[in-house]
Amino acid sequence: DQQVKQNSPSLSVQEGRISILNCDYTNSMFDYFLWYKKYPAEGPTFLISISSIKDKNEDGRFTVFLNKSAKHLSLHIVPSQPGDSAVYFCAARGGADGLTFGKGTHLIIQP
Amino acid sequence: NAGVTQTPKFQVLKTGQSMTLQCAQDMNHEYMSWYRQDPGMGLRLIHYSVGAGITDQGEVPNGYNVSRSTTEDFPLRLLSAAPSQTSVYFCASSSHYLDNSPLHFGNGTRLTVT
Repeated sequence: DQQVKQNSPSLSVQEGRISILNCDYTNSMFDYFLWYKKYPAEGPTFLISISSIKDKNEDGRFTVFLNKSAKHLSLHIVPSQPGDSAVYFCAARGGADGLTFGKGTHLIIQP
Repeated sequence: NAGVTQTPKFQVLKTGQSMTLQCAQDMNHEYMSWYRQDPGMGLRLIHYSVGAGITDQGEVPNGYNVSRSTTEDFPLRLLSAAPSQTSVYFCASSSHYLDNSPLHFGNGTRLTVT
């Protein structure tokens, strides 16, 4: 049973607009959430994270929101740029056994 | 800065063959792990290690062995390759498994088993 779900396999957004990527989780023991970005033929790279004690974390154009009661987090990218086209993975940590990843959302930024 | 280095980048095996995927990190990280990425499946944890001499199983450990004799190296062994092990394998490390430091990933090994 999938504990971290990214229900949109792909998302297309116009350059300059806001990109919103969503993630849902089922395990209430998760205490830390991360977003990773992945380009083809490369490993995932860390983008931004949030602790379960916060509801928002911002880093430049990237903001992550956490709604614990709904077990939902989202990544906002404003404004979207062509270099943001990549696969984005949501991940959650619940203990020493590593991160649990979603299946990813392929973000395509249209010129 | 080398970070996490994986070798080889590509490998083709025949069913039943064995091989070792190499992973090395130069950041003195305590925590290291192996993931596999399959189409439509995201990344799934195979094995992990919280320090030299300590390893444990992840979500999909069957068919794989690991060891951690040094802080720097964390090789993944396929004992008898099967077509179901065709995948992209990523090694990742972080400074400590309990702090909030993110995982650093290598660039992956693409394995095909025929």
